[in-house]
Amino acid sequence: DAGVIQSPRHEVTEMGQEVTLRCKPISGHDYLFWYRQTMMRGLELLIYFNNNVPIDDSGMPEDRFSAKMPNASFSTLKIQPSEPRDSAVYFCASSPLDRRSTYEQYFGPGTRLTVT
Amino acid sequence: TQLLEQSPQFLSIQEGENLTVYCNSSSVFSSLQWYRQEPGEGPVLLVTVVTGGEVKKLKRLTFQFGDARKDSSLHITAAQPGDTGLYLCAGGRNYQLIWGAGTKLIIKP
Repeated sequence: DAGVIQSPRHEVTEMGQEVTLRCKPISGHDYLFWYRQTMMRGLELLIYFNNNVPIDDSGMPEDRFSAKMPNASFSTLKIQPSEPRDSAVYFCASSPLDRRSTYEQYFGPGTRLTVT
Repeated sequence: TQLLEQSPQFLSIQEGENLTVYCNSSSVFSSLQWYRQEPGEGPVLLVTVVTGGEVKKLKRLTFQFGDARKDSSLHITAAQPGDTGLYLCAGGRNYQLIWGAGTKLIIKP
């Protein structure tokens, strides 16, 4: 089975431009998570969805960030307008409904975003 | 506030040595997971422990969950250069994972 798919793998853009990151979770997984990873702050949860519904977006830095999940096989994270401090690696992860309450997550390869 | 304290933050040792990485919290978790991340890739799940006192072995790696389900350790025996990477612990709670800051491990040949 294919793992979590993210695109693009690398994105370089200028400050003020709109950036859209894409994610296809593992088929059958009920939860989808968006993370940001930097050297300074480590892995930060931005938002997560359950059955395509946003559950907790308290980690979204500000109104410039938005995320959608129009169906079970696709999600986007949009930054508009982008700023240099948004430069980071963005990960998408998915998780199955697990009666053992383990909450295991499976990560995509990430999108390295550089805003100049 | 870092809910999961991971130590050490950085460890560089010679091939063949043993090492232990710790993950501590004052909170109880329903599960504790360890991930390894290599440069340019996402974290990859190594193991999940769910029962207090549980011990799991994965070749030369031994994982233990504390009796009170608040802490965990990862022990590597006879480390090899292929063990190099960022090791992350994560505690499961309310459908989310609480992440440690990670231990960057370098094994020198």
